[in-house]
Amino acid sequence: GNSVTQMEGPVTLSEEAFLTINCTYTATGYPSLFWYVQYPGEGLQLLLKATKADDKGSNKGFEATYRKETTSFHLEKGSVQVSDSAVYFCALSDMNTGNQFYFGTGTSLTVIP
Amino acid sequence: GAGVSQSPRYKVAKRGQDVALRCDPISGHVSLFWYQQALGQGPEFLTYFQNEAQLDKSGLPSDRFFAERPEGSVSTLKIQRTQQEDSAVYLCASSPGMGLEETQYFGPGTRLLVL
Repeated sequence: GNSVTQMEGPVTLSEEAFLTINCTYTATGYPSLFWYVQYPGEGLQLLLKATKADDKGSNKGFEATYRKETTSFHLEKGSVQVSDSAVYFCALSDMNTGNQFYFGTGTSLTVIP
Repeated sequence: GAGVSQSPRYKVAKRGQDVALRCDPISGHVSLFWYQQALGQGPEFLTYFQNEAQLDKSGLPSDRFFAERPEGSVSTLKIQRTQQEDSAVYLCASSPGMGLEETQYFGPGTRLLVL
C-alpha cells in the first residue's frame, strides 16, 4: 500500500541554520509528492510539489527533489527564519491506486532568533 | 470569501449524539476532500468527491460516517451516534480540477470533542 514516513520532531534551529526534514514514501504506482505547511493558527497550505521522478519543487527558499531510487522527498532550506516556524507535512497521491491522499505525521519546526 | 470555509469551527457532542459538519469549498472547485486529523497526527483521508459524485469513501472509519455533496458545491459530513474516538479535527479541502496532483486548498477545520 501507500504510505509516507516523516522525520520525527520537534526540530529546533537557530535563525540562518540549514534545515533538512526527511521524508520517505512507499507507493505501488508513480505518485505525486507534496510538502504542506501549517503556520500557527492557520490552515494547511501547499508549500511545494513534484509530480515525477527527478523533479524539484521549490518555493519560499524551500526545495525538495523527487528521488525514485531512494523513494525520498526530503525538504531543505539553506537559511531558516523565525517566520518558518510551523508544522511541515509530507504527502503523496497516487491515482493508480484510487483517489486517496496520504499525509505523514508532521514535523514541528521552531526557529529561534 | 475566497477560501474554503467550514462550520461550526468547534463542536462539543455527547456520546451517542449525531453531528453534521459543513464545508463550503472555493466556488467552481470540482474536487472536494474530507480528512480526519487526530491530535499530533497528520490528516487521514476520509472521502473524495468529484462534483456531486462520491468517487472514494474508503477512508470512512465506520458506517456511522456519511458524506454528501448533492449539488456539487457545499458538502456535509455526518457522524451518527458519536463515540469518544471520533474526537478530532475534521478538515475539508477543495481543488479546481480532477487531478490528484493539483493543489488542495484547506479550510480551517472543525474541532469535534465527544464527551
